[in-house]
Order: sequence, then C-alpha cells, then structure tokens
Amino acid sequence: NAGVTQTPKFQVLKTGQSMTLQCAQDMNHNSMYWYRQDPGMGLRLIYYSASEGTTDKGEVPNGYNVSRLNKREFSLRLESAAPSQTSVYFCASSEIGGSPLHFGNGTRLTVT
Amino acid sequence: AQTVTQSQPEMSVQEAETVTLSCTYDTSESDYYLFWYKQPPSRQMILVIRQEAYKQQNATENRFSVNFQKAAKSFSLKISDSQLGDAAMYFCAYRSAVGGTSYGKLTFGQGTILTVHP
Repeated sequence: NAGVTQTPKFQVLKTGQSMTLQCAQDMNHNSMYWYRQDPGMGLRLIYYSASEGTTDKGEVPNGYNVSRLNKREFSLRLESAAPSQTSVYFCASSEIGGSPLHFGNGTRLTVT
Repeated sequence: AQTVTQSQPEMSVQEAETVTLSCTYDTSESDYYLFWYKQPPSRQMILVIRQEAYKQQNATENRFSVNFQKAAKSFSLKISDSQLGDAAMYFCAYRSAVGGTSYGKLTFGQGTILTVHP
C-alpha cells in the first residue's frame, strides 16, 4: 500500500530553471495538497485541489502552478526557480471533513 | 483566516517523564478539527492524534493525550512515559469543517522540536 508517492526526493536547480514535482495517491481521495516547509514557519499551503478538475490557491502560491491531472495525480510546477523557493515540499491527500491528511515523504529542493 | 500558534520552539524531557506541548488557535468557527502531527528526522509526517471540536471528551491514543479547551482555543499535547523514539518535531494543525474558502485546508503551527534525554 504505497499511499502518497512524491518524486523526486531531492533536487538542485539553478536560478531560472524549471521543474515539475510529481505526486500520486492510491487511496482514492478527492482532495490533494501541496505544502512547503521552511524552518520556523511550519507547513504553508501552496495550492489545493478539492476534487478532480478544481484547484485553488493557498497561502503562498506565487511562483508556482499546479495541475490536477486526474483523481490520482497532482503536480506542482516551478516555471522559473528562485532561491526563495529553496524548501522542503510535501504533497498530501485526504477526504473532506475530519479526515487527516496523508503525506508523501517530501522533496528537498535547493535553488542556487 | 485561521491561525495556529505553537509558542514553544523547543522542549526537552527525560526518558519516562511526561511533557506537554502547547498549541493555541484563532478562529470564529464553531465546528472544526484539530490534529497533532509528528515529524521525525526522516521527514515523514505522522498523525499522532485527532480531536473533533464538537466532542467535549479529550482524545487519547496510548501514551498521547490532548487537553482541548474550546473556549480558550487551546489544544495541548501530553506525552506520558516519554521514549527516545518520541524525539521529533511536533506540529499542531487546524482544519475547518465549515464551507467557505478555508474548507478542507489544514493550517499548521510553526512546530515544536522535542528532545528526549536518556
């Protein structure tokens, strides 16, 4: 039972390069999320998808785009990476209501 | 928008002792859910415990229990009989149960690093 799978685990980019973080879940959840984690700031929501075909901005969406490809997959794209986007990125999924979020293992991204 | 505050950046405890991690939140909603997550050095996010706001009874999961004070908007985590494996970052989180722009989203506190001394 894989749960939430994120790729890659680590990535180093130069300023201005682009990349896509991939996320897939096998729990048939409707909702999917992208968070970033920075020291002293907890996890902050970048984008959110309540269901297939819908996406919504979170707290820190600038510099990112997302695609909810189907119910299973939710990708995060950095079009022109900046050093301020150096962070650990988490994908998560859940059902609505009181269900907890299930997280992937994170991607450590460094932008030089 | 809801906010979650963890005022203790770091805490430490002796093995087998009890420690309490604090969390307060700000909301105008009456229906919501609260969570504690554990993040060990492996970076994995692990659900520790969950509380429904409409339930007065405090949630417990083995050595982990909460003190939920709805009027005070406080949600502390008590770890009893601390073990070396409890050492981790702990995050408090809030999830709205009311429709609107916040519905379904999880808002996290800043985290508390817990060190367990042998």
